[in-house]
Amino acid sequence: DAGVIQSPRHEVTEMGQEVTLRCKPISGHDYLFWYRQTMMRGLELLIYFNNNVPIDDSGMPEDRFSAKMPNASFSTLKIQPSEPRDSAVYFCASSLSGTGVLYGYTFGSGTRLTVV
Amino acid sequence: QKEVEQNSGPLSVPEGAIASLNCTYSDRGSQSFFWYRQYSGKSPELIMFIYSNGDKEDGRFTAQLNKASQYVSLLIRDSQPSDSATYLCAVTQRGNTGFQKLVFGTGTRLLVSP
Repeated sequence: DAGVIQSPRHEVTEMGQEVTLRCKPISGHDYLFWYRQTMMRGLELLIYFNNNVPIDDSGMPEDRFSAKMPNASFSTLKIQPSEPRDSAVYFCASSLSGTGVLYGYTFGSGTRLTVV
Repeated sequence: QKEVEQNSGPLSVPEGAIASLNCTYSDRGSQSFFWYRQYSGKSPELIMFIYSNGDKEDGRFTAQLNKASQYVSLLIRDSQPSDSATYLCAVTQRGNTGFQKLVFGTGTRLLVSP
């Protein structure tokens, strides 16, 4: 099991540019989550999917953020245009649910985004 | 009131001592509770989960849950310097859509000195 795979590991971009973060969840997991982590705010849930369907995007900070999950093995988080305050570590996590109980997440290694 | 509250620390304990990490949560409907460990620059790693009131032991780790008090704790026995990390408490929360999600505390930093 390769775990949750995120790419790129690091991204440095200029303000105003488009940024795309990618995630491959663990095969068979039916939940996928995108989190953002900063020192000030900790882990913030941005959006999550169940069986590829977006369930709750209320954590997406602005319209500049969008996420898609075209199939069970791939998801993207896009920021367009990027701003310096978007600098953070972005984590993708996946999970398996059963009988209505959510089991613990497995996190990817994260993407450290720096917008200059 | 924050949904999941933890003392940010740092909590400093000597090697071999018991480290006690605490967490309170606001949603009485929360059903599942998790402890994650996060080393600096790394991703969170699940170390314990608990669903029922009482204690659950796994090696040097014991998770304790008291739903009436909305309180979760993690005890680490025989603390080692390698346990130095930030410990995140997470609880499930059912959103408006009916689906569950995990809400995280901001974490407690633990320092174990040799």
